[in-house]
Amino acid sequence: GESVGLHLPTLSVQEGDNSIINCAYSNSASDYFIWYKQESGKGPQFIIDIRSNMDKRQGQRVTVLLNKTVKHLSLQIAATQPGDSAVYFCAEVTGGYQKVTFGTGTKLQVIP
Amino acid sequence: GAVVSQHPSRVICKSGTSVKIECRSLDFQATTMFWYRQFPKQSLMLMATSNEGSKATYEQGVEKDKFLINHASLTLSTLTVTSAHPEDSSFYICSARQAVGYTFGSGTRLTVV
Repeated sequence: GESVGLHLPTLSVQEGDNSIINCAYSNSASDYFIWYKQESGKGPQFIIDIRSNMDKRQGQRVTVLLNKTVKHLSLQIAATQPGDSAVYFCAEVTGGYQKVTFGTGTKLQVIP
Repeated sequence: GAVVSQHPSRVICKSGTSVKIECRSLDFQATTMFWYRQFPKQSLMLMATSNEGSKATYEQGVEKDKFLINHASLTLSTLTVTSAHPEDSSFYICSARQAVGYTFGSGTRLTVV
């Protein structure tokens, strides 16, 4: 079936450096994509989203890039901070903004 | 911003008993809510979609008689794990759909002993 997956299970980054978290998806009929951050024992927290008709969107310290040609999504975090340490999930929204399917997740570890 | 309140945050129950988890949208109406299950170091797996005033739509492989979902109002959906067994121990998370985006609850850690 359709799935959303990630290339790297764990990413270690020095504090102050930029982080790039990647995601590959297989359903080309998605409506939009969302990046979530999940801290241990908590629910996912919205970071940024991007519609399928866009290729880039910027937020505060974060940028999401969408490459529909190769079905690839990335999250860039500028000047990574210790508070950014968490598991990051990309999620794909399909079915007319109804169903949210999560990728496998990447654990980001920020080294002070 | 929009807040989804999920209770309880943690629950321990004996095998064979039932547990109810509540998910409330505090400052908005949610016609659609979602229930997820997450095992340690794994992703969130959608269990069912809950629509206010109608039956929930369950994902393939999820037992509807075991995981009872009720969405009786625009601000409340409940998930009841019936006849719980140790293999039902997991982190359960609800989500509510808004006009723009989705908001998640803080999750419920269920431990069945």
